[in-house]
Parts: sequence; structure tokens; C-alpha cells
Amino acid sequence: ILNVEQSPQSLHVQEGDSTNFTCSFPSSNFYALHWYRWETAKSPEALFVMTLNGDEKKKGRISATLNTKEGYSYLYIKGSQPEDSATYLCAYPKETSGSRLTFGEGTQLTVNP
Amino acid sequence: GAGVSQTPSNKVTEKGKYVELRCDPISGHTALYWYRQSLGQGPEFLIYFQGTGAADDSGLPNDRFFAVRPEGSVSTLKIQRTERGDSAVYLCASSAGGGYTFGSGTRLTVV
Repeated sequence: ILNVEQSPQSLHVQEGDSTNFTCSFPSSNFYALHWYRWETAKSPEALFVMTLNGDEKKKGRISATLNTKEGYSYLYIKGSQPEDSATYLCAYPKETSGSRLTFGEGTQLTVNP
Repeated sequence: GAGVSQTPSNKVTEKGKYVELRCDPISGHTALYWYRQSLGQGPEFLIYFQGTGAADDSGLPNDRFFAVRPEGSVSTLKIQRTERGDSAVYLCASSAGGGYTFGSGTRLTVV
């Protein structure tokens, strides 16, 4: 993996379903992995910054895990709600934390009521 | 301010015209970044300022794009002779060295 890859590109689920997406990134020279939620016409909202292999972070119904050795992170949403509909982006700094971010293409989630 | 402010929120311009996009970062944030998100893509890095100087401008696609931050706070992204391919959402972010705070972007449409 040379850059950041996210899958799937888009996802449609029913309200109440649980779902997850994947972010793959280069495993060498790892500093941090960022997850953002971006709703149309709003600012990308920071969800998690993950730094340690094996990290698991949780924010309400959303959680994320990190595997730096194999270069992937999973984002889970439990009991999806229509307000979870957004594009979920992952990104990593190519150099030290605080340098520019390289983003994946995002996973566009639509939760149908 | 409380967050990163970008103006205008929407801009429609004719091909060949000059545009300026403004970013007002969080007060005290020394690092400021510009990204561009084209349809179906993730945000793509354009330029990074540390204080008043451009620390990394390697993402600017060509010499029609230029950005300034003369007093180390507000930044302006300038695009000359706009082309239809410049149509995108232009995002600004600021940082104090840890996390990044994004603005809501300027949607630029070149017709």
C-alpha cells in the first residue's frame, strides 16, 4: 500500500443496522491515523486520532480499531441512525504528527429510515 | 474565532476569471493547510503554512494557483485564469501542532 485506500466506496444500510468500513495505509513510518466524518456543506468533524497498535477508541455508537503492523483501521457504527449519513474519511500524516494529511477517498454512508 | 471560517461558501465564476478564497483560522494556530476535494475523491493537499511562510507548496497543481498568509493568520488562496477542472470544494484547516480543525469549505464552480 503506497497511499490510503478506503472500502467500500459507498454503503446503504437500514436504520438500526450495524456497519463497518476499512482504511488501509502504509505500515512503514507510521505516526497516526485520523478518522473524520464529513456531512455535506459542513466542516469535516474529527472522530478519532489513533496512534498505538491495537488501539481501540469509542465515541457513542462509533468505535475504531488500529493495526499498524498490517496497516489497517476499522470504523464501526452500531445501530446506525439517519443522522450518521455522511462521508467517513481516514487520513494519515506523511511525516510527523502535525504535518499535512494524506486522505483516502472516503466511504459514503447512507442510512435509510 | 471559535472555528475555522471560510468565505465565500459558494463561488461561481466564468472560465478564465480570477478568484480569491479566504480562510480565517482559529486564533493562535500557527499551522494552516489548504486542500481541494474534487468530486468522488478525497481531499488533496495543496499548501501548508507555518506562520507567514509556505512550509510546503508541493501540492499546488500549477502556477495559476498561489496562496498567501501575510500576517500569519488569515490566508488567501488565489486562482488565476480559472479552468473548469478547478471546480471543487476548497478546504482550509488549522492546527496548533496536534489535531486539525477544518472549515466548511468553499465550493468553487467554474462555468
